[in-house]
Amino acid sequence: QVQLVESGGGVVQPGRSLRLSCAASGFTFSSYGMHWVRQAPGKGLEWVAIISYDGSNKYYADSVKGRFTISRDNSKNTLYLQMTSLRTEDTAVYYCAKDMGVPAAEYYFDSWGQGTLVTVSS
Amino acid sequence: SYELTQPPSVSVSPGQTARITCSGDGLPKQYACWYQQKPGQAPVLVIYKDNERPSGIPERFSGSSSGTTVTLTISGVQAEDEADYYCQSSDSSVTIGVFGGGTKLTLL
Repeated sequence: QVQLVESGGGVVQPGRSLRLSCAASGFTFSSYGMHWVRQAPGKGLEWVAIISYDGSNKYYADSVKGRFTISRDNSKNTLYLQMTSLRTEDTAVYYCAKDMGVPAAEYYFDSWGQGTLVTVSS
Repeated sequence: SYELTQPPSVSVSPGQTARITCSGDGLPKQYACWYQQKPGQAPVLVIYKDNERPSGIPERFSGSSSGTTVTLTISGVQAEDEADYYCQSSDSSVTIGVFGGGTKLTLL
């Protein structure tokens, strides 16, 4: 079955950087677009970024554009989110999610990881 | 920026029908989907392409669309359906994702 396991979260000071990883298994990772979605404590879901199945296309929410970079290594079945210039408002649980569409993304997320908590605080 | 609007809360008695709406100017042009999220858990896709149900989702969950509004309907609500529900769609160029603010479904 599909499994997505995030890692790399933790406590970081404002202005610093952090890299999240998402290890995928149970499906042909290289065939699907992948997303990052976050949820601040007690708040709703916020879409963060998408990367196409082959890594050729990447799109970001305005709130993270220019600070976050999504990438993937299809040989390692792993998705990444490099976060720089972190702000207190980036504090959230970060989920990776698999897109249903193949190969073009359709923006329906049929599998999610359990999330990793990022806390930005001095 | 593109926004989706949901009511913050909906209350229903067990066995009754719950309807949760989601409004957005782009919805006539783009499909929407719905997620269920229980406390401490990751979201689960319950409806996609406005009215398609993924395998494993009970038939009491259904979706519909009319103009700028999509609706999630839960028929014969059960205690296990108490959760937060989020609608989600994309912009017209299918590059940016957007979620509604979420609706807390409470059983009376």
